[in-house]
Amino acid sequence: EAGVTQSPTHLIKTSGQQATLRCSPISGHTSVYWYQQALGLGLQFLLWYDEGEERNRGNFPPRFSGRQFPNYSSELNVNALELEDSALYLCASSSTYGEKGEKLFFGSGTQLSVL
Amino acid sequence: GEDVEQSLFLSVREGDSSVINCTYTDSSSTYLYWYKQEPGAGLQLLTYIFSNMDMKQDQRLTVLLNKKDKHLSLRIADTQTGDSAIYFCAETDTGRRALTFGSGTRLQVQP
Repeated sequence: EAGVTQSPTHLIKTSGQQATLRCSPISGHTSVYWYQQALGLGLQFLLWYDEGEERNRGNFPPRFSGRQFPNYSSELNVNALELEDSALYLCASSSTYGEKGEKLFFGSGTQLSVL
Repeated sequence: GEDVEQSLFLSVREGDSSVINCTYTDSSSTYLYWYKQEPGAGLQLLTYIFSNMDMKQDQRLTVLLNKKDKHLSLRIADTQTGDSAIYFCAETDTGRRALTFGSGTRLQVQP
């Protein structure tokens, strides 16, 4: 069974540009989560999508946005890139309303570098 | 808001036991997790525990939960060099909000 896949693996942009990151969840999973892992800062929750709807949002500015498609894949868009947006962006998926809490399965991430 | 804290670094010798500690602030935390991140990789779920449990054992891993003190620990028995990684503690509640992660503990295993 394929795990969570993210693309691209690496992305290099300059300040002011826009970045689009993509995520395909595990087959059968309807929830997708996005986290930012900046150097030394641990994982910061960005966005949670479930069944095509945005369910929750972390403490990030509106230039971080995303969407979930009917096939449950997801995009994360970052507009007006800033140097401090440089980080590893991790996508995770889980099945809907798991009876034993939310077990998230992570992809390997997209390393975004803003120059 | 919710907060999860971990020590940043732990160094042990191969064959010894490792104990990684975590504290959390949210008293409504219902599910607590341990994830492992190897260099250049995403996070791998190691184990999890419900808040109504005190202990869970899974092969070399033992999770202890002190709900009164909001303290969670992960013990790795017979630590191997392949266990070198960053270990994240995470928590959530029954409201199904996203997991809140600690900053991670880097475990270094010396041969």
